Amino acid sequence: DAEITQSPRHKITETGRQVTLACHQTWNHNNMFWYRQDLGHGLRLIHYSYGVQDTNKGEVSDGYSVSRSNTEDLPLTLESAASSQTSVYFCASSGGLAGTYEQYFGPGTRLTVT
Amino acid sequence: GESVGLHLPTLSVQEGDNSIINCAYSNSASDYFIWYKQESGKGPQFIIDIRSNMDKRQGQRVTVLLNKTVKHLSLQIAATQPGDSAVYFCGHTGGFKTIFGAGTRLFVKA
Repeated sequence: DAEITQSPRHKITETGRQVTLACHQTWNHNNMFWYRQDLGHGLRLIHYSYGVQDTNKGEVSDGYSVSRSNTEDLPLTLESAASSQTSVYFCASSGGLAGTYEQYFGPGTRLTVT
Repeated sequence: GESVGLHLPTLSVQEGDNSIINCAYSNSASDYFIWYKQESGKGPQFIIDIRSNMDKRQGQRVTVLLNKTVKHLSLQIAATQPGDSAVYFCGHTGGFKTIFGAGTRLFVKA
C-alpha cells in the first residue's frame, strides 16, 4: 500500500545545529508540503513543492529550507536550530488532480531544540 | 493576511448526539473549503471538502455547510461515536495549498 513516512519520529538537538527531517511518499504525488504544529496555532505551512526542482516558501519559512530532487522525497532542513523551532512537524502530499485537494499526512516528527 | 478561525476550542457531546463544529474564514478567494480530523499522536486525516460554489455536501455521517454570505463553514457529525473524539481542523484551499485553522477538540461522552 502507498504511504507517507517521516523520520526520525523524535529528535532532540542543540541550538545552532543543522537538522534534517526526512519525508518519503510512495503515492507518486506531485505536491508535497511541510507544516509545523504548535498549540494554539494549528498547522502552519513552512514550504511546499509542486514537483521535482520546484520549491516555494510558506507562511513560516524563515530558518527552514527544502529541496526536491525526486518525486518521492522532500527533506526539511533547519539550518541553525533555534528553541523557537521546537514543534511537531508534519509532511503531507497530494495528487493535484483537478478537483482533488486531499492531502495525505505523515505521522509527524517531534523536534525538541535545547 | 489569510486566516481561518474557530468559534470554540473544545466541544463536548454525548455519544449518539449530533455534533456541530463551526468555523469562520476571512478569505473568499478559495477553491475549496475542507475539514480534517486529527487523532492523538497521528497526522491529520481528510474528512470532506466542499467546492466554493456549493453550500452543502454530505459524506458518510458528516455534512459540511458553507455560507459565503457570512463566511461561515460548519461540520455536522451525525450520531457521534467515541471514535469521533479528535481535533477537527477547518481550512481553505487554493492552488493546492491549504490554510488551516487552529482546531476544535471534540470530546465524546459515553
